[in-house]
Amino acid sequence: GAGVSQTPSNKVTEKGKYVELRCDPISGHTALYWYRQSLGQGPEFLIYFQGTGAADDSGLPNDRFFAVRPEGSVSTLKIQRTERGDSAVYLCASSVDYTSTDTQYFGPGTRLTVL
Amino acid sequence: AQSVTQPDIHITVSEGASLELRCNYSYGATPYLFWYVQSPGQGLQLLLKYFSGDTLVQGIKGFEAEFKRSQSSFNLRKPSVHWSDAAEYFCAVGAGGSNYKLTFGKGTLLTVNP
Repeated sequence: GAGVSQTPSNKVTEKGKYVELRCDPISGHTALYWYRQSLGQGPEFLIYFQGTGAADDSGLPNDRFFAVRPEGSVSTLKIQRTERGDSAVYLCASSVDYTSTDTQYFGPGTRLTVL
Repeated sequence: AQSVTQPDIHITVSEGASLELRCNYSYGATPYLFWYVQSPGQGLQLLLKYFSGDTLVQGIKGFEAEFKRSQSSFNLRKPSVHWSDAAEYFCAVGAGGSNYKLTFGKGTLLTVNP
C-alpha cells in the first residue's frame, strides 16, 4: 500500500521567506509526527498530532514554526521568516494510533535549503 | 532527558563479514529502543524494536539486536552483510517509556566492500 508521502521533495527558498511543507500520512493512521534532520545528525522530534490536535509541540524550535492538521489526515508544517539555520531535511511519520507499541512509518522527507 | 550515543560514525566491512553496530542509551526507566535504517532518497525504515520481554530481538533483513540493561546498550548485529545493507543506521529511544517522541543517535554510516 501507499506509504507516507511528502511534498515537495526539495524546496529552495530565500532567507526571510515563508514556506509550507506537506505530509500525507498512511490512510487510517491517526497519529502523525514531524522531525527535522540536520546534516550529520539524527532526526529531532518537532511535533506530534493525535487526530487534529497537536498533542506535543515541545520540539518546535521557536514561534516561527507552526504545524496544522485540520482534518486529521494531511498535515502542513509552516515556517515563517526562514533563516539559513532552518536548512535541513524535514521528515514526517505516521502510526496507526498512539500507543506505546505502534511503529512510526517515515516518509522520504523534504529537503529545505534556505539561501 | 534521554539520549542515545552511536560511537561509530562510519564503519566499513567486507561483503559476507559479520557486523555489529553499537548503541548506548541514557534513560532512567526501562527504555523503548529502536533501530532504523536510512538509504539515500528513502525514508527511515524500522529494522526492529524492543519494548520488553526477550532481550534478543529479531528484525527484518536478517538483523538482530540485544538489549543489555547493565551496559545500557542495544547493539545491532548481522552475521553476514550483503552489499545492499550499505546505508545509514540510527538507534533511537522512546521518551517517557513511550515511543511517540523518539530521540535518535547521530547515526552510523555503513560501507560494504565487495
